[in-house]
Amino acid sequence: EPEVTQTPSHQVTQMGQEVILRCVPISNHLYFYWYRQILGQKVEFLVSFYNNEISEKSEIFDDQFSVERPDGSNFTLKIRSTKLEDSAMYFCASREMKGTYEQYFGPGTRLTVT
Amino acid sequence: DAKTTQPPSMDCAEGRAANLPCNHSTISGNEYVYWYRQIHSQGPQYIIHGLKNNETNEMASLIITEDRKSSTLILPHATLRDTAVYYCIVRVAPQFSGGYNKLIFGAGTRLAVHP
Repeated sequence: EPEVTQTPSHQVTQMGQEVILRCVPISNHLYFYWYRQILGQKVEFLVSFYNNEISEKSEIFDDQFSVERPDGSNFTLKIRSTKLEDSAMYFCASREMKGTYEQYFGPGTRLTVT
Repeated sequence: DAKTTQPPSMDCAEGRAANLPCNHSTISGNEYVYWYRQIHSQGPQYIIHGLKNNETNEMASLIITEDRKSSTLILPHATLRDTAVYYCIVRVAPQFSGGYNKLIFGAGTRLAVHP
């Protein structure tokens, strides 16, 4: 069964450093999403992406965040200058054009900012 | 998207049916009820969704009341692997919202299945 994959599974970085989280969505999916979950809190929407542009973003997704689909398979989330409060699990999700509209989530990347 | 209310936690014995309730009294006509679950910090997993008719798939059944103000997710024979946080999410169907629409997660119900 096709699945969303994410790398790395765990990333440790120092405050102020740039990080890039990588996702490979399911191959025929056209809508892509990033969510995050701070430890012990709710899963929060960050951004949705379709047709090579951002379709919606939350208040969390400020100028320090960016997304990109650099080729036909990868979908990345970049945080330019990490802060301690960026420590969280980051989940990528994708869905197909039609069907049940369900979103398929990856296993997540745990980002720890020290 | 309409707000949902779920109990914070529930217990269930292994092999028994787990019935997880969700209230969504402000749901509107073009909003669907979706259920996802999250097993121990893994990515959320889609379970089932419905509009007004009861639905069943290989994972679960979804019972929606006639007035659509509440629903129940039923896991007919719960196993230890069903221990997870279950999220009830009400959202406008993508075909009416431009297709992108995000999932808004609440706190969910933490289901503990015990031997």
